[in-house]
Parts: sequence; structure tokens; C-alpha cells
Amino acid sequence: AQSVTQLGSHVSVSEGALVLLRCNYSSSVPPYLFWYVQYPNQGLQLLLKYTTGATLVKGINGFEAEFKKSETSFHLTKPSAHMSDAAEYFCAANTGGFKTIFGAGTRLFVKA
Amino acid sequence: AAGVIQSPRHLIKEKRETATLKCYPIPRHDTVYWYQQGPGQDPQFLISFYEKMQSDKGSIPDRFSAQQFSDYHSELNMSSLELGDSALYFCASSWAGGEIETQYFGPGTRLLVL
Repeated sequence: AQSVTQLGSHVSVSEGALVLLRCNYSSSVPPYLFWYVQYPNQGLQLLLKYTTGATLVKGINGFEAEFKKSETSFHLTKPSAHMSDAAEYFCAANTGGFKTIFGAGTRLFVKA
Repeated sequence: AAGVIQSPRHLIKEKRETATLKCYPIPRHDTVYWYQQGPGQDPQFLISFYEKMQSDKGSIPDRFSAQQFSDYHSELNMSSLELGDSALYFCASSWAGGEIETQYFGPGTRLLVL
């Protein structure tokens, strides 16, 4: 069965520090992987996605993620956090088809 | 670029009432998904439609039903509402002719059942 695990329900970083949000997946076949961001009272916005090809994918707002098949991971990073990055981040996986499975989410706090 | 449109954005109902949520996908998108997100929860998949046919079913209660129309918009009908139905309901859309796995989400409808 497919599942997505996000390590850490809350992550706090200082402004300007590295952001690292962890995501591991469990799937019998290589999935398509996504990161979504959700600001308060808003919908989910697609940050980036991995389908095939280059394992390092770049997204919006300076975020990037690397697909590591050997580690079944798809961690999200940003070199320098900004106050506006404070939000809920969801990792998601799809093995091809109509159903996307979401992780439980990680709330990112950015301290001034 | 046009995004997924959901209406209404906010809805207040009482127990045992009915509610209808509407979703208008991104133009040319033929697949629609419905999710329910409780407070502090991740989105839970309810149901999806492709070309007006149900394509997948998740944890949708029997009290809920949905359909997709010829213009690809979708409606989620919720009857005998319960307090526990209070949540944020998202619609997402994708294009089967492209990367169907990439779903684009609407802003959500916040339902409060009193």
C-alpha cells in the first residue's frame, strides 16, 4: 500500500536559515511526488513535483526537492527562510492514476 | 492563468440539513477530485470523476454524493449533515491528456455545521 510520511509535524527555523522538510514514501512502484504549500484559510498550492528525469527539481519561491529512490525520500529544502514561508507544507504521492495520497503535513514557523 | 473555482467559499448549515458545493475546474481539465480537510488534518480523498464518470472513491460517507456534468464542473451533495462534517472541502482538477497525476487545487469551501 502506498503511504507518505512527513517527519516532524512542526519545524521552526530562524529567518535566513536553511529550511529542511522531510518526506518519505512507501510504494511498490516509483511514484510521482509533490510538495504543496497551504497558507492559512487558503487552498493547496503546488510548489514542485517530480515525475521522471532529473531527480533534483526546482519549484516556486526558491524551494527545491531531491528524489532519492534508494532512501525513498523527497525532502524539501530552501537555502534561506523568509518570513513569508511560514505555512503548512504537504508532501504527496501518486503511483499513476486518480488517487493522490498526502502526508500529515508539516507546519513551518519562521522566527525573526 | 485561470484556477479552480469553488463556491460558496463559506457555508453555515445546521444538523440534518443539506449542502451543495460546486467546483469549476481549470479550463480543459477533465478530471475532478474532492477532498475533505478537518482542522489540523491532511486532505482526505473523497471521490473523483473523469469524463463525467466516477473514477475513484475514497472515504466518502454514504450521505454524500457527487457528480460531474457535461461542462466538467462538479457538485458535491451532502445530506443529513452532522457536526463532524465541519471541515474545509477542496476540489482539485487535472488533465488526463497531460499529467493526470498533477492536481491543482481550488481555494476550498469552509463548511460549518451547527
